[in-house]
Amino acid sequence: GAGVSQSPRYKVAKRGQDVALRCDPISGHVSLFWYQQALGQGPEFLTYFQNEAQLDKSGLPSDRFFAERPEGSVSTLKIQRTQQEDSAVYLCASTPVRTSLEQYFGPGTRLTVT
Amino acid sequence: GESVGLHLPTLSVQEGDNSIINCAYSNSASDYFIWYKQESGKGPQFIIDIRSNMDKRQGQRVTVLLNKTVKHLSLQIAATQPGDSAVYFCAESPTGGFKTIFGAGTRLFVKA
Repeated sequence: GAGVSQSPRYKVAKRGQDVALRCDPISGHVSLFWYQQALGQGPEFLTYFQNEAQLDKSGLPSDRFFAERPEGSVSTLKIQRTQQEDSAVYLCASTPVRTSLEQYFGPGTRLTVT
Repeated sequence: GESVGLHLPTLSVQEGDNSIINCAYSNSASDYFIWYKQESGKGPQFIIDIRSNMDKRQGQRVTVLLNKTVKHLSLQIAATQPGDSAVYFCAESPTGGFKTIFGAGTRLFVKA
């Protein structure tokens, strides 16, 4: 069946631009996670949604980062006024129930800020 | 494809040998420990998890060992195959929460 999809796969932004990254989780999955993965590092937790409720946003690095999941399915991660340090792969994952175990990851969006 | 980890600890094994990947964790309060595999250009893929009240769990060709005394986790892969070449991450899942903490990763090379 269809897995988690993310778009775009690659995004180049000039410093100061706003970007929006999309995640389509597996249909029916309750939990959705966003991670940031810098080159050579493990994924770092950004935020967690249970259906449309954002239950944990403690990993968002600044108020320039904003995530939403208004209808409990598709999610968007928005980064305002991008900085070079925002360059990373942004990963989305989902699980069918209210758990952080056995997450299904998408392929990620590689963001490069120039 | 994209390179996941350019400067990660590396383990190189011969095809058919067993591999052991080690991980030290930090949070004694974590409820679950999980291993993920990440191939170049892809997102992590779940391998196996173990609850904190267990010390060993086996899956298909994989075994995870947990030593809470020294906060150490290991992943053993039997009869390693070229398709096992990837970066392997251990992760912790806290009790009562959803914030999964990933380790730095180990790159496994399998020589044919």
